[in-house]
Amino acid sequence: DQQVKQNSPSLSVQEGRISILNCDYTNSMFDYFLWYKKYPAEGPTFLISISSIKDKNEDGRFTVFLNKSAKHLSLHIVPSQPGDSAVYFCAASGETGTASKLTFGTGTRLQVTL
Amino acid sequence: DTGVSQDPRHKITKRGQNVTFRCDPISEHNRLYWYRQTLGQGPEFLTYFQNEAQLEKSRLLSDRFSAERPKGSFSTLEIQRTEQGDSAMYLCASSLGSSGRAYYEQYFGPGTRLTVT
Repeated sequence: DQQVKQNSPSLSVQEGRISILNCDYTNSMFDYFLWYKKYPAEGPTFLISISSIKDKNEDGRFTVFLNKSAKHLSLHIVPSQPGDSAVYFCAASGETGTASKLTFGTGTRLQVTL
Repeated sequence: DTGVSQDPRHKITKRGQNVTFRCDPISEHNRLYWYRQTLGQGPEFLTYFQNEAQLEKSRLLSDRFSAERPKGSFSTLEIQRTEQGDSAMYLCASSLGSSGRAYYEQYFGPGTRLTVT
């Protein structure tokens, strides 16, 4: 069972526009959510996170929104830049209450075009 | 401040051989994690250590897999009698394990890509 889902395998956005990446989860025990960015042949790079007690967290061009009732989160990138082209993974933690493993989605490939 | 490092970056082995990977976490991080990533999937949790204690193992970690963190610093992941299905990227991550954001945020190494022929 896929507890964290990213239903859009790919997204193409023009440079300067907003990129919106979506993520849904099914396990109500998750209490912390993270976004990672991955370039080919590299490990995932931490981008931004949000606790379940908040509904928004902002860091520069990146904002994460959490809707607990809908079990949905999204990552907004404004403005999008060509260097943002990568695969973005949503991850969730807290399932066991010990903040051990992260459960990842399958990723969304973002392409920012000129 | 150096990040998480992994060695080797690439490993090609024949089916049935044993392989060992090494991970060096960020120096002040007391939690260390191993994940496996296959094509088109997100990383999947294998196991984690707090200091030298292995506190959780996934059911993905068959008895052919063993992980150690003998002195609470670097860690090794060994796969015995490799199978073609073991071909994947093996990722190591570390975290501070203290309170707040540091409790949750994990920082990944570049990974070791294993190909079993």
